[in-house]
Amino acid sequence: DGGITQSPKYLFRKEGQNVTLSCEQNLNHDAMYWYRQDPGQGLRLIYYSQIVNDFQKGDIAEGYSVSREKKESFPLTVTSAQKNPTAFYLCASSASRQGTGNQPQHFGDGTRLSIL
Amino acid sequence: GQNIDQPTEMTATEGAIVQINCTYQTSGFNGLFWYQQHAGEAPTFLSYNVLDGLEEKGRFSSFLSRSKGYSYLLLKELQMKDSASYLCAVVDNYGQNFVFGPGTRLSVLP
Repeated sequence: DGGITQSPKYLFRKEGQNVTLSCEQNLNHDAMYWYRQDPGQGLRLIYYSQIVNDFQKGDIAEGYSVSREKKESFPLTVTSAQKNPTAFYLCASSASRQGTGNQPQHFGDGTRLSIL
Repeated sequence: GQNIDQPTEMTATEGAIVQINCTYQTSGFNGLFWYQQHAGEAPTFLSYNVLDGLEEKGRFSSFLSRSKGYSYLLLKELQMKDSASYLCAVVDNYGQNFVFGPGTRLSVLP
């Protein structure tokens, strides 16, 4: 079945350590997104990518980095510069691209990141 | 700037009807989505509005007024499984950026 796979489900980070969250989709979607969700809050956009080898900063990109070397994959690295990384991280994809109309986002099951 | 408002929490009784409101002020508008999110899970798509009016989909309906910057999600014949957070998201002019509201946590009581 087509879908979005995020791994790991739970991740622990030590102080000063970089960690990478995986996101893979087999929906053949052009656009992919990373969101952060804090308890009781809505989703805040970290980065998004409309096409391979191109990505844009969202509202809270500081302390994060991404790459989009393949259409199927959009990994997120939480760097040591992100001082408050504890949150629920959601990856999404959609078939939308500029000029093709809006399509809903499909979400992965999320990765819960905590600080040791 | 971008600003989307939703009530933080709502409570309703099983079998009843509930309306969840969303108001928005964004730099552009190219459509509005509603998502349902159960605690600790991924959001799932419910409905999409780009033109003014009502979109009906089974027990769920969504309404949009672009001139007022206002949308609502209407849930009929509430069931216990409808207890969840409901997220409103506005798409910007280029269809590339989804701006999410804070979500409304709905509790359905027996």
